[in-house]
Amino acid sequence: GNSVTQMEGPVTLSEEAFLTINCTYTATGYPSLFWYVQYPGEGLQLLLKATKADDKGSNKGFEATYRKETTSFHLEKGSVQVSDSAVYFCALSDKGYGQNFVFGPGTRLSVLP
Amino acid sequence: ETGVTQSPTHLIKTRGQQVTLRCSSQSGHNTVSWYQQALGQGPQFIFQYYREEENGRGNFPPRFSGLQFPNYSSELNVNALELDDSALYLCASSQARGAGETQYFGPGTRLLVL
Repeated sequence: GNSVTQMEGPVTLSEEAFLTINCTYTATGYPSLFWYVQYPGEGLQLLLKATKADDKGSNKGFEATYRKETTSFHLEKGSVQVSDSAVYFCALSDKGYGQNFVFGPGTRLSVLP
Repeated sequence: ETGVTQSPTHLIKTRGQQVTLRCSSQSGHNTVSWYQQALGQGPQFIFQYYREEENGRGNFPPRFSGLQFPNYSSELNVNALELDDSALYLCASSQARGAGETQYFGPGTRLLVL
């Protein structure tokens, strides 16, 4: 079945540091890939997405590129801020019955001033 | 534009009881999905409804059931509650059911089973 693997957290960085959160997936078809973010006490918000190979999603300084050859969708940001502290979830959605979003376990990011 | 809303925000039940959770989808969205998020884990797909019909189901037992109404709002019903059902239940709506569609999440209902 489909699955998503993320790097284990927590990740602690200083403000203005470079961020990478690794995400790899297993899917039978050609899924769409997403990054969602969950701030403390809030629901999940879409951060970015990519629907086909080599697409780059970007938002709020975050980027991720859909790499079919390595089945990866790593999240990057050049300079993190304290306000980026949250839990980040990588997810896939496969074509077919039920859309069937599959989420990774999440990576908690803490950014220190 | 009103986002996805869920009620109640918190709920405490005892083992064996039944619970109904409610979700109002975002305006213009005809597809609703439900997820269970245990503490410290990613959301797990329960099922999806598209235009009042179940459109896919994850690995959850039949005591988890749902409904979607003509206005596309939805209910999640859980019978014979077990301690392991304690979790955050998330509802998400989307404009359609395609794989590339973005799902918009509500704030969730936190259920505690004692």
